[in-house]
Parts: sequence; structure tokens; C-alpha cells
Amino acid sequence: DSGVTQTPKHLITATGQRVTLRCSPRSGDLSVYWYQQSLDQGLQFLIQYYNGEERAKGNILERFSAQQFPDLHSELNLSSLELGDSALYFCASSVSQGRGETQYFGPGTRLLVL
Amino acid sequence: GQQLNQSPQSMFIQEGEDVSMNCTSSSIFNTWLWYKQDPGEGPVLLIALYKAGELTSNGRLTAQFGITRKDSFLNISASIPSDVGIYFCAGWGSQGNLIFGKGTKLSVKP
Repeated sequence: DSGVTQTPKHLITATGQRVTLRCSPRSGDLSVYWYQQSLDQGLQFLIQYYNGEERAKGNILERFSAQQFPDLHSELNLSSLELGDSALYFCASSVSQGRGETQYFGPGTRLLVL
Repeated sequence: GQQLNQSPQSMFIQEGEDVSMNCTSSSIFNTWLWYKQDPGEGPVLLIALYKAGELTSNGRLTAQFGITRKDSFLNISASIPSDVGIYFCAGWGSQGNLIFGKGTKLSVKP
């Protein structure tokens, strides 16, 4: 158990819908990272938040957005969903914002868009 | 953009055999990380390498940071059934984000 929690574990929805994925980092960790894992693209970094502020952005679509709240939990919002958005979405956390820090991954949310 | 090429894509081995997998890139990485992902779980960090030429062990796992800083390998000795999973290499990209290889899927036959 990494100490990172994600809800829900599974999500099935239809194209065009909007969903929210939630992540609680390990106690004391200030950075939260979101990743998408699909069969053809592997693990892709989406976005990082540090202490409530956006820190780095990766391959995140404009239809996706995220935020980190004062209690440090984070939400990833996916809207106008398409079939290709079906994937595993992971959240990870680390103590600070620097490189070289160990990132601890949550168990993931499996999203299926029908 | 920066990419990590991992090989082989998959391996089927007999319990007790040694395993070797590697990761290469056309660009330099200053840190190499190896993760393992079990089915239905998130990746777990196995070994982190911070210096060119560094050789680090974690139990039956050994990883090396290539001298050119463009490659790394991971060896698993005397494999056991619980070694089954997907192994990923990763490195910190120039924009501060973690870049992952596509993974090596390991299957171990008892």
C-alpha cells in the first residue's frame, strides 16, 4: 500500500459525458501527479500540482483539467469523453516538487467510455 | 520529444532463470528509475540510479546506469513466480516530468 488513494476504482460512462477522478496523496506529500496509461501509449504524464498550484504540464488534452485543493487532495476532470479516453488513470504523490524524488503511485481508476 | 525505448516487449521464462531487460534513449537522462507494475496496481519504484556508471542492487534485482547516460539495464536473478508483472524504466525529462518506457512484460513459468 503506497498510501495514495484514488476513487473510484472503476468508472463506466458514455461518450460526451464528464467524469471526475479523485486522488488523496500520502500524508505530508505536497505534489500530486496525474498519469494516463493506455495499451498503445503506455504511461503518459498529464499534469503536476504542487501545494495547490499547477507545476508542470504534459500531454494533457484541453478537455481535461485538474486542481489541487487546500487539503492537498486533487481531482482530474475529464469532459466531452471519447472512446479513446478509455484508460487507466493514475495519481502519484511526492514530498516536494523536485526531480529525483520518489513518486508513490495510487492503485488507479479504470475508465471505460462506451 | 524525449523517448525511452524498452526491450524486450515481453519475456516468457522458466522459474529460476535470470532475466535481463534494457532501456535506451537518443537523449541524455540524469536519473534512471525502474518500476514494477503488478496487475491491477500502480507502478512501484524498484531502483533509482543517479550517477553514470552506477550499479545498484535491491535483493535479486540489479540495475546499472549506462556510462553514456543514454541507457540502463535491469537484471533479475533466479526468477520466482511473484516476479511476474510489467517492468518500466523511467527518467526525468527536460521539462521536469517523468517519462516512461513502454514496459517489459515478464511471465514466469513455475
